Amino acid sequence: GENVEQHPSTLSVQEGDSAVIKCTYSDSASNYFPWYKQELGKRPQLIIDIRSNVGEKKDQRIAVTLNKTAKHFSLHITETQPEDSAVYFCAECGTSYGKLTFGQGTILTVHP
Amino acid sequence: GAGVSQSPRYKVAKRGQDVALRCDPISGHVSLFWYQQALGQGPEFLTYFQNEAQLDKSGLPSDRFFAERPEGSVSTLKIQRTQQEDSAVYLCASSLVGQSNQPQHFGDGTRLSIL
Repeated sequence: GENVEQHPSTLSVQEGDSAVIKCTYSDSASNYFPWYKQELGKRPQLIIDIRSNVGEKKDQRIAVTLNKTAKHFSLHITETQPEDSAVYFCAECGTSYGKLTFGQGTILTVHP
Repeated sequence: GAGVSQSPRYKVAKRGQDVALRCDPISGHVSLFWYQQALGQGPEFLTYFQNEAQLDKSGLPSDRFFAERPEGSVSTLKIQRTQQEDSAVYLCASSLVGQSNQPQHFGDGTRLSIL
C-alpha cells in the first residue's frame, strides 16, 4: 500500500535561516504532492503543491522539489519567521480521485 | 460558504454511546473526504464521496463507522458503540472535482473524546 516517510520529526531554526523537510514515498503511481501547515488546534492549510510533471515549484519564500526517479520530494522555507512555527505535513496521491496519504509530520520551531 | 465547516468542534461521549459528526463542504465541491487524525500523527483516510456516492470506504476502521452524504452536499460520519480508541480529531475535506491533482480544503475538525 501507500507509504510516506517524513523527516525530520522536529526541526528548530533561528529566524532568518532556511528550513528543509524531506519526504519519500513508495507508490510509483503517485502524481500529486501537497504540503500542509497545521497550527495547534487548527485545520491543515494547503501551502504549496506540485504535480508529477514538474520538478520544482516556488511561491515567495516556499519551494517544493520533486524527484520522481528517487521517489522523494522536499519543502524548502527560506528566511524563516516565527509565524512559520507549526506542524508541516507532506502528502501524496496515487488514486484517480484524490485520496491523500500523509507523512507523520514535522514540528518546525523558529526562534526569534 | 467561505470554507469547509464542521460541527460540533468538540464532542465528549461515554464509551458505548453513538455519535454523529457533521461536515458542510465548500458549495459546489463534488468530492468529500473524511480523515482521522490521532494526536501527534498525520491525517489518515477514512472514506470518500463523489456527490452522494460513497466510492471508497476502505479506511473505515470497523463496521461501527458509517458515513453518508444523501444529497451530495452535507455529510455525516456516525460512530456506533464508541470505544476509547475512537478518540481523535475527525477532519473533513472537499475538492471541486474528483481528480487526483485537485487541492483539498480542510475543515477545523471535530475533536472526539471518549471517556
